[in-house]
Amino acid sequence: SAVISQKPSRDICQRGTSLTIQCQVDSQVTMMFWYRQQPGQSLTLIATANQGSEATYESGFVIDKFPISRPNLTFSTLTVSNMSPEDSSIYLCSVGGKNIQYFGAGTRLSVL
Amino acid sequence: RKEVEQDPGPFNVPEGATVAFNCTYSNSASQSFFWYRQDCRKEPKLLMSVYSSGNEDGRFTAQLNRASQYISLLIRDSKLSDSATYLCAVNPGTASKLTFGTGTRLQVTL
Repeated sequence: SAVISQKPSRDICQRGTSLTIQCQVDSQVTMMFWYRQQPGQSLTLIATANQGSEATYESGFVIDKFPISRPNLTFSTLTVSNMSPEDSSIYLCSVGGKNIQYFGAGTRLSVL
Repeated sequence: RKEVEQDPGPFNVPEGATVAFNCTYSNSASQSFFWYRQDCRKEPKLLMSVYSSGNEDGRFTAQLNRASQYISLLIRDSKLSDSATYLCAVNPGTASKLTFGTGTRLQVTL
């Protein structure tokens, strides 16, 4: 399986600010995904990060709120913009596809 | 109806017991199925894939029932270290994304 490094591992932010989360993989991967896991909940897919093109967002998630970059096959960023306390969650990147997916350790975000 | 549904539990079982979880899915075109384990404050880790013919790995057995649209996970001889939340994940069709259930919490006690 790929080694996935995600940072920061945690952060505490003020409302109205933005946070960029980085996901680095030790090998080239075609598919990268960003998930959110709110307290006590399961994982919800935010978007698929596409290399060289705009991310594909799931229903309920928009690019203005969660801009994503995917400059190459080993790296992606997710920005949580104009944060509110409702954005407090764990954000996880994953790599793989429909046959298997592996997760980074996640970023635990608290918004005050 | 949710795309993927699990009993949230918790399932409290004594060490050595056998426990089984089910996970139902709504899309009959679903192609791939997985069980993940998630420890408290950690990321999900792949436990096993679920094949049409079933899949066994040590004390863990996963089954797929396409007719009734559910997958199951059986854990034999439960250990304290099996305490975790077990998430099922389903690929709903041709796209590569996975849809996760809410997870079933297992607590194994002495």
